[in-house]
Amino acid sequence: GEDVEQSLFLSVREGDSSVINCTYTDSSSTYLYWYKQEPGAGLQLLTYIFSNMDMKQDQRLTVLLNKKDKHLSLRIADTQTGDSAIYFCAERGSQGNLIFGKGTKLSVKP
Amino acid sequence: KAGVTQTPRYLIKTRGQQVTLSCSPISGHRSVSWYQQTPGQGLQFLFEYFSETQRNKGNFPGRFSGRQFSNSRSEMNVSTLELGDSALYLCASSLNSQADPQYFGPGTRLLVL
Repeated sequence: GEDVEQSLFLSVREGDSSVINCTYTDSSSTYLYWYKQEPGAGLQLLTYIFSNMDMKQDQRLTVLLNKKDKHLSLRIADTQTGDSAIYFCAERGSQGNLIFGKGTKLSVKP
Repeated sequence: KAGVTQTPRYLIKTRGQQVTLSCSPISGHRSVSWYQQTPGQGLQFLFEYFSETQRNKGNFPGRFSGRQFSNSRSEMNVSTLELGDSALYLCASSLNSQADPQYFGPGTRLLVL
């Protein structure tokens, strides 16, 4: 079946890079997404990557896609305390809906 | 452009009651999807509406229903509420096709007592 896995927690120091990893199961997924959720808020779309790409960079964010291993990562450069949040990886299901991982809680220590 | 809006933001109901949640998509977006978020199950897909028709449905009981109006606004209804229906209900809108990215609203937090 369709499934997305992510580690639950990541702690980094302010100014360091953060790397959040995700694995997915559906090799036919056309798009893969990263969302951010702050406490009490909805999901904010951070970035997304088309499956025929290996990498996408958007300011401090870099997405790497290894389609062979079905592995997606999000790198946040120069992590700030404002980046503390839960980050969700998502793939498109066969019916077009988003299938989410459980989320990675990023804690940034000053 | 204004983002996705959801009303109400918070709701308290008792078991057995019914509830209606509303979602207004980003202007020009024709697809609206609904998701339920709970600590135990995470984010789960409820259904998607496009041009007033349900295009896709998740694995939820028939107590969960929805509709979409001609202006793309959508409502979801939950009848005969159960304690387990307590959750954050998120609405997302996208332009047209199922390849378009989904943009989420702030959610409606429902507490069932």
